[in-house]
Amino acid sequence: DTAVSQTPKYLVTQMGNDKSIKCEQNLGHDTMYWYKQDSKKFLKIMFSYNNKELIINETVPNRFSPKSPDKAHLNLHINSLELGDSAVYFCASSQDRLRQGDTEAFFGQGTRLTVV
Amino acid sequence: KNQVEQSPQSLIILEGKNCTLQCNYTVSPFSNLRWYKQDTGRGPVSLTIMTFSENTKSNGRYTATLDADTKQSSLHITASQLSDSASYICVVSPLRGKLIFGQGTELSVKP
Repeated sequence: DTAVSQTPKYLVTQMGNDKSIKCEQNLGHDTMYWYKQDSKKFLKIMFSYNNKELIINETVPNRFSPKSPDKAHLNLHINSLELGDSAVYFCASSQDRLRQGDTEAFFGQGTRLTVV
Repeated sequence: KNQVEQSPQSLIILEGKNCTLQCNYTVSPFSNLRWYKQDTGRGPVSLTIMTFSENTKSNGRYTATLDADTKQSSLHITASQLSDSASYICVVSPLRGKLIFGQGTELSVKP
């Protein structure tokens, strides 16, 4: 009964490959996010979707493309992977994007991406 | 610039001891502040959330304090257990916009 689930948990791939990370939430939330946690442990938001609509798109390379087939899913596709893409990627969801400051985000367990 | 800074970066304590983690922020205007616990290999889990009008909030052995005037918060852990070993992240919400994360404090509780 995991609330926010991501797959895979670990992903090792070579430079130049294209890969996807999947995320699903069963909380009935309207908003989903992708965060990147680098080696210094900072969590930085990459994208946010509300009811399948993109609402936050931080300065992220075009190689990263989120896709939301429905409000319970937000997948992250990465083209032409680079060494610097190695990090832990977290999916999260919350109830109300308009009051995001007052809303708790529930996180998935993370996907550790290693590009070699 | 909205920032959240935490100290210390890492901390080692003996089981049963108390400890206090610090969080200073420059986020303004400010909506609320959260403390998250992140176990190794897991996503962050919320411990406490406080609005600007609240001074203290407890969750079991965890007690968070907030001084909105000095823009400081602390997380006090009482009678630490081995399972408290984790990264503790301070997260501040501006009135509008995205959450601002601190870099976390790595706590290690030794037997």
